[in-house]
Amino acid sequence: GAGVSQSPRYKVTKRGQDVTLRCDPISSHATLYWYQQALGQGPEFLTYFNYEAQPDKSGLPSDRFSAERPEGSISTLTIQRTEQRDSAMYRCASSPTGGSADTQYFGPGTRLTVL
Amino acid sequence: GQNIDQPTEMTATEGAIVQINCTYQTSGFNGLFWYQQHAGEAPTFLSYNVLDGLEEKGRFSSFLSRSKGYSYLLLKELQMKDSASYLCAVRDRVSSYKLIFGSGTRLLVRP
Repeated sequence: GAGVSQSPRYKVTKRGQDVTLRCDPISSHATLYWYQQALGQGPEFLTYFNYEAQPDKSGLPSDRFSAERPEGSISTLTIQRTEQRDSAMYRCASSPTGGSADTQYFGPGTRLTVL
Repeated sequence: GQNIDQPTEMTATEGAIVQINCTYQTSGFNGLFWYQQHAGEAPTFLSYNVLDGLEEKGRFSSFLSRSKGYSYLLLKELQMKDSASYLCAVRDRVSSYKLIFGSGTRLLVRP
């Protein structure tokens, strides 16, 4: 596609429910990143994929968080048993190769609110 | 680990020049990025520096000094639409895929 897209744009859920967020990167981009962004802060790295491989998930806050990219394109981020502290903007970004000079292109984000 | 510092807020006048500073401490360094983020929108790429010196791109310029762990973003001929947050991000040498962002500087341009 023309840019990174994410869905849903807004998600309100009750504490304890599971949620799944979706990211559709720019076509042909090999590398996909997930970030969490609190209000008034910069994005914080969660995990990334190089095609379908997930070399680093060290930024995931707990084992309730998991991400997949089974066919090397669309990715999902799942949060199980949501807690109020999970409320944040979740941003996806993609880049052509993941190389050091690569620019990361960000999607519009999913605003998650856990009640 | 990484530590990135930027001023929280700045105010400037339309038509003026403003410099937004960023200092970083890192165990490795593999480039520095500046992103612009308007309220409620996604960050968009502005500039990339990996070598010392000034990179100019229209009204925006970015400077890097690796020995000092210092960068700045210079915005000239400010326009009202430049009111936004400006995020400094460092790429770690070891894990070159990952960007470590500062908290951002919120710039308000006044008439």
